[in-house]
Amino acid sequence: EIVMTQSPATLSVSPGERATLSCRASQSVNSRLAWYQQKSGQSPRLLIYGASTRATGIPARFSGSGSGTEFTLTISSLQSEDFAVYYCQQYNSWPLTFGGGTKVEIK
Amino acid sequence: EVQLLESGGELVQPGGSLRLSCAVSGFTLSSSVMGWVRQAPGKGLEWVSSIRARDNSAFYADSVKGRFTISTDNSKNTLYLQMNGLRAEDTAVYYCAKGGHDYNPFEYWGRGTLVTVSS
Repeated sequence: EIVMTQSPATLSVSPGERATLSCRASQSVNSRLAWYQQKSGQSPRLLIYGASTRATGIPARFSGSGSGTEFTLTISSLQSEDFAVYYCQQYNSWPLTFGGGTKVEIK
Repeated sequence: EVQLLESGGELVQPGGSLRLSCAVSGFTLSSSVMGWVRQAPGKGLEWVSSIRARDNSAFYADSVKGRFTISTDNSKNTLYLQMNGLRAEDTAVYYCAKGGHDYNPFEYWGRGTLVTVSS
């Protein structure tokens, strides 16, 4: 099983600042890495797939990078609606696995 | 517009059974890949199972293998999760999602249905 490790667990950021979230896989997932956003009481929403491709309707302030085992989600200028929990997920091999999440909170 | 609507979650005793349903619209289920993802209260996301609807190719997490069965009824545009031998640790919100097989991420998600396993 591929273990996905996200860091930090919590990120305190002021509105307008840049946020950088990390995700590490225990073995290569090629570029089959997705990022999801989950706001309190809501379902997850796909942000990024293929490590760097934004899903339909996702603002350009969200960007993803990386390949192999190291991945990054960057939010260039945090808006109030971006405070949420973010999960990475690999879909390269079974079982599909998620990271433990990074909570982005208001500083 | 893609829509996924789960139902069937309820309180059930340990050892009991439950069948979750996910009614889909806005796309053709028979040519899609689908999955179930769960989230225990206050915890993160856990993949449960995925299926390729056209040939019923299915995969399961070890934690549910042998107890849960994923299936589709393409004529009813509905995805199912039959859950047997339920345990307290199966308590979670269960999400139906489009994707999760054939190297696809989970592109669309339902609102979820709560399963509580308790005596």
